[in-house]
Amino acid sequence: EPEVTQTPSHQVTQMGQEVILRCVPISNHLYFYWYRQILGQKVEFLVSFYNNEISEKSEIFDDQFSVERPDGSNFTLKIRSTKLEDSAMYFCASRYTLLAKETQYFGPGTRLLVL
Amino acid sequence: GNSVTQMEGPVTLSEEAFLTINCTYTATGYPSLFWYVQYPGEGLQLLLKATKADDKGSNKGFEATYRKETTSFHLEKGSVQVSDSAVYFCALSDQTGANNLFFGTGTRLTVIP
Repeated sequence: EPEVTQTPSHQVTQMGQEVILRCVPISNHLYFYWYRQILGQKVEFLVSFYNNEISEKSEIFDDQFSVERPDGSNFTLKIRSTKLEDSAMYFCASRYTLLAKETQYFGPGTRLLVL
Repeated sequence: GNSVTQMEGPVTLSEEAFLTINCTYTATGYPSLFWYVQYPGEGLQLLLKATKADDKGSNKGFEATYRKETTSFHLEKGSVQVSDSAVYFCALSDQTGANNLFFGTGTRLTVIP
């Protein structure tokens, strides 16, 4: 069964460094998402992406964050200058259409630790 | 705005016990409701969903009914197994824009033999 994959599974970085989290969505999907979960808190929506541009973003998704789909298969989340509070599990998701019967498929997550 | 409030965990049950995990929501419009499950080391997997009031979603012995009058979507299973040990997330999509999901905090279930 097709699945969403994410790399790396764990990333440790120093505050102020740039990180890129990578996702490979399911191949025929058209809508892509990033969510994050700070330890012990809710899973929070960050951004959605369709047709090579951002569809929606939350207030969390500030200028330090960016997304792109550089090669038609990967979907990346870049954090330009990481802060301690960026430490979280980051989930990528994709879906084929926006019809109610369709669902979002999630990857296993990347656990980011900022020191 | 949209939000989901989920029963605090962790929950520990003996095998074959009855499970209820409460979930209530606040939403504009007519949301779709979901339960996702996360097994250790894996991603979020859709367990079941309901897209309109009074719908019942069911899968793997789990079920949840979309109750508009009480704005609830409680998850139930009649007889849990050790393999059901996981974190369960209630979520909603308000069916606008890109159908972003709004999640609860998750409830960790541990089933002991």
